[in-house]
Amino acid sequence: GAGVSQSPSNKVTEKGKDVELRCDPISGHTALYWYRQSLGQGLEFLIYFQGNSAPDKSGLPSDRFSAERTGGSVSTLTIQRTQQEDSAVYLCASSSRPGGNQPQHFGDGTRLSIL
Amino acid sequence: GDSVTQMEGPVTLSEEAFLTINCTYTATGYPSLFWYVQYPGEGLQLLLKATKADDKGSNKGFEATYRKETTSFHLEKGSVQVSDSAVYFCALSEVWEETSGSRLTFGEGTQLTVNP
Repeated sequence: GAGVSQSPSNKVTEKGKDVELRCDPISGHTALYWYRQSLGQGLEFLIYFQGNSAPDKSGLPSDRFSAERTGGSVSTLTIQRTQQEDSAVYLCASSSRPGGNQPQHFGDGTRLSIL
Repeated sequence: GDSVTQMEGPVTLSEEAFLTINCTYTATGYPSLFWYVQYPGEGLQLLLKATKADDKGSNKGFEATYRKETTSFHLEKGSVQVSDSAVYFCALSEVWEETSGSRLTFGEGTQLTVNP
């Protein structure tokens, strides 16, 4: 597609369940980022991928969070044993190549609600 | 660590008014600076960017100039429209080296409402 695609757009789940969020970046973009947008914390960086490797995962808030990227394209963010504080909008972004001056293009996000 | 501070919102203006949203930053290196906009129900969109001191980014009538001496990147528009109503985020990313990815550090966001 023309832009970054995320699925699902909305996810409601019970506390303690595992969830998987998917990101399909712009074709040919080698760099991929996950961010979280929540009311109390604003926009926070979670993890960065270059190709299939994750040189920077320092933003993951706990070991319940993990992410992978396969084939240098699609990425999945997994949250295990969800807690209510995980409720947020999870945003994925991609850029054509690494480098701090490269603009990141964002998807519409997945709104995650933990009951 | 890096940080971005935006003027407190929300901001309410009448159509055709002049807009300024202040943004200042703290960074250890020489960051690139961005303004992103989020329209209601949509994701973040890049509005403009500047990658070095004294650069001016511009798009859709919006402008911002990278001021290293004042560590600022204020967003301006001479005449706002109702369709400009959105949340505006100032952000920076460090340029450590060309082959490194770099996280974005965002400000808190400023809600702009433009009334007809």
